[in-house]
Amino acid sequence: EIVMTQSPATLSVSPGERATLSCRASQSVSSNLAWYQQKPGQAPRLLIYGAATRATGVPPRFSGSGSGTEFTLTISSLQSEDFAVYYCQQCDIWPRTFGQGTKVEIK
Amino acid sequence: QVQLQESGPGLVKPSETLSLTCTVSGDSISHYWGWIRQPPGKGLEWIGWIYYSGTTKYNPSLLSRVTLSLDSSKNKLSLKLTSVTAADTAVYYCARLGTEHSGRYLADYWGQGALVTVSS
Repeated sequence: EIVMTQSPATLSVSPGERATLSCRASQSVSSNLAWYQQKPGQAPRLLIYGAATRATGVPPRFSGSGSGTEFTLTISSLQSEDFAVYYCQQCDIWPRTFGQGTKVEIK
Repeated sequence: QVQLQESGPGLVKPSETLSLTCTVSGDSISHYWGWIRQPPGKGLEWIGWIYYSGTTKYNPSLLSRVTLSLDSSKNKLSLKLTSVTAADTAVYYCARLGTEHSGRYLADYWGQGALVTVSS
């Protein structure tokens, strides 16, 4: 099973600032990496797939990059609605696995 | 608009079987469908997926206890998990695997989730 490790666990950011979240895979997953956003009491929402492609309806302030074992999700200018937990997930091999999440909180 | 709705008992006794149904509306059943769970305050874990043809794939950690099925005539998915323990307490989500990248299908529509507590 591929282990996904996210850092940091918590990121404190002021509205309007840039947020950079990291995700590392225990072995190469090529570009088979997705990012999800989860707000309290809600189901996850697909943000990014293929490491860098925004899902339908996702604002351009969200961008993904990376390949192999190292990936980044960047939120260019945080809006109030972006404060949430973000999960990376590898979809290279089964079982698909998620990282433990990064909580983006208001500074 | 695709909508998924999980339903089933919110409380299951240890050693018994957890059974959930997911009703799909606004879309055809002709997709891949997944089940994912999330223990309270913790991260996400894949349970398995099922294709509308009936083909399934299960997480090896749950392989001996889980069964996914679907009823295409009723647009319903089902999850059964046997011999449950407190470690199976979680919010259980069903999801459509509709977004594709390099042959991999990703969960793009999710139900709101059903909390199942395992306790006597």
